[in-house]
Amino acid sequence: AQSVTQPDIHITVSEGASLELRCNYSYGATPYLFWYVQSPGQGLQLLLKYFSGDTLVQGIKGFEAEFKRSQSSFNLRKPSVHWSDAAEYFCAVGDRGGNKLVFGAGTILRVKS
Amino acid sequence: EPEVTQTPSHQVTQMGQEVILRCVPISNHLYFYWYRQILGQKVEFLVSFYNNEISEKSEIFDDQFSVERPDGSNFTLKIRSTKLEDSAMYFCASNVQGLEQYFGPGTRLTVT
Repeated sequence: AQSVTQPDIHITVSEGASLELRCNYSYGATPYLFWYVQSPGQGLQLLLKYFSGDTLVQGIKGFEAEFKRSQSSFNLRKPSVHWSDAAEYFCAVGDRGGNKLVFGAGTILRVKS
Repeated sequence: EPEVTQTPSHQVTQMGQEVILRCVPISNHLYFYWYRQILGQKVEFLVSFYNNEISEKSEIFDDQFSVERPDGSNFTLKIRSTKLEDSAMYFCASNVQGLEQYFGPGTRLTVT
């Protein structure tokens, strides 16, 4: 069965500092991988996705993520965090049939000024 | 930019009552989904729907739940007899097969 682990429940970074949010997945084949962001009281916004090809993918708002098959990881990064990035971030894995997404537990990002 | 919409944004109901949550997926999408998120927990898959039938459902999606596409634009989730533990945020999503899912803003269901 598919599963996603986000080991960090909370992360606090200073504004302007770099960010890396960790995501590990368990899946029998090459998965589809996603990062979504959820601001308080809001829905889920897609930040970026990996389907195939280049293992470094660029997303919106200056985020990027790198797919590492050997580590079963898909970590999210941003070189310089802005206060508006404070939100909860969810990593998700989907199968290539395009059906359900399995989400990680989420990482809450706090940005201190 | 097209988006998924959901109504109502917040629904309060009494235990044992039926509720219907409504969603309008993106117009050219053919696959539709419902997820829920209990406060403070992860987002969980409930059901997927394609070609007027359920493609896959989770163990959460028991006989109390049903989905329907009553017309060419709406996609609904019905909970027949709500329980306290059904209180959650319910998200609708849609996509073209195999591609990213687009989520609506959610309906917060509170069962009292």
